[in-house]
Amino acid sequence: EPEVTQTPSHQVTQMGQEVILRCVPISNHLYFYWYRQILGQKVEFLVSFYNNEISEKSEIFDDQFSVERPDGSNFTLKIRSTKLEDSAMYFCASSATGATDTQYFGPGTRLTVL
Amino acid sequence: GNSVTQMEGPVTLSEEAFLTINCTYTATGYPSLFWYVQYPGEGLQLLLKATKADDKGSNKGFEATYRKETTSFHLEKGSVQVSDSAVYFCALIQNPGANSKLTFGKGITLSVRP
Repeated sequence: EPEVTQTPSHQVTQMGQEVILRCVPISNHLYFYWYRQILGQKVEFLVSFYNNEISEKSEIFDDQFSVERPDGSNFTLKIRSTKLEDSAMYFCASSATGATDTQYFGPGTRLTVL
Repeated sequence: GNSVTQMEGPVTLSEEAFLTINCTYTATGYPSLFWYVQYPGEGLQLLLKATKADDKGSNKGFEATYRKETTSFHLEKGSVQVSDSAVYFCALIQNPGANSKLTFGKGITLSVRP
């Protein structure tokens, strides 16, 4: 069964460093998402992406964040200068047709900012 | 804005016990409602969904009915198994429109003991 994959599973970085979280969505899907979950809190929407541009972004997704689909398979989330409060589990998701179609999630990347 | 409220956890049950996990929502319009499950070390998986009032979603013995009058989508299972131990998230997508971001509840951890 096709699945969304994410790398790395755990990333440790120093405050102020740049990190890139990588995701490989399901191959025929067109809509891509990033969510995050700070320990003990809700899963929060960050950004949605379709047709090579951002469809919607949350208040969390400020200028420090960017997303890219650099080729036909990868979908990346870059945090330009990490802060302690960026420590969280980051989930990538994809869906075939958007709207209320099922979103398939990856296993997540745990980001720890020291 | 939209929000999802889940009962506080964790929940510990004995095998074959009856399960109810409460979920209520606040949203404008007519949201679509979802239950996602996260098994240890894995990503979020769609468990079931309902897209309009009085719809019942069901999967793997779990059921939830979309109750517009009480703005609820409670998850139930008649007889839980040890393998149901996981974190359960209630979520919604705002309808109508192209906005397809999921709004999640906090999640609840279910532990089933033999």
